[in-house]
Amino acid sequence: EVQLVESGGGLVQPGGSLRLSCAASGFTFSSYAMHWVRQAPGKGLEYVSAISSNGGSTYYANSVKGRFTISRDNSKNTLYLQMGSLRAEDMAVYYCARGVTMVRGVILPDAFDIWGQGTMVTVSS
Amino acid sequence: EIVLTQSPATLSLSPGERATLSCRASQSVSSYLAWYQQKPGQAPRLLIYDASNRATGIPARFSGSGSGTDFTLTISSLEPEDFAVYYCQQRSNWPSFGQGTKLEIK
Repeated sequence: EVQLVESGGGLVQPGGSLRLSCAASGFTFSSYAMHWVRQAPGKGLEYVSAISSNGGSTYYANSVKGRFTISRDNSKNTLYLQMGSLRAEDMAVYYCARGVTMVRGVILPDAFDIWGQGTMVTVSS
Repeated sequence: EIVLTQSPATLSLSPGERATLSCRASQSVSSYLAWYQQKPGQAPRLLIYDASNRATGIPARFSGSGSGTDFTLTISSLEPEDFAVYYCQQRSNWPSFGQGTKLEIK
């Protein structure tokens, strides 16, 4: 079964840090770019970050640039999002997602066919 | 950034009726538009990609159309499980999402 499972969410104080993980199974993880999308409570979807299949290229939305770092370990089939200098507006459910297009080495703007169940990040003192 | 505007914000219909949801882009996205369904407490589910292609396992009652700036998601005959929030998303540039249309039972 093709699956993504996020972990690492929780309560963090403003200015704090947190690392999210996304474990992939059931497909060739190293063949796909991977993405993070978030959803604030009661709000819509916001695209956050992406990484190419080999980890060589990354993209960040302006809202997180300089504070978040995306990475991956293809030997462990795992995607990461290191979040720092967290703000109240970062509070959301964070989803990892697989791009529809199987492409190696580059990031293409894509649709997302496989999503994890999400992990909640709460930023509060 | 490409802004996607969905209408209506809320659509109230009964099972068996036809649903028509709209998504308008602030500039042309060619055919690079996707539709997702999201139910409470669940992740989004891809329904349609590249304007009119149904994703794997999606029933034929879901169809998408449009190109350029105007797009439509049609559900031909609503089933009880179709009542949810629907989002459009463009991939002509770095992805952005519409604000969603809530499809509720009348």
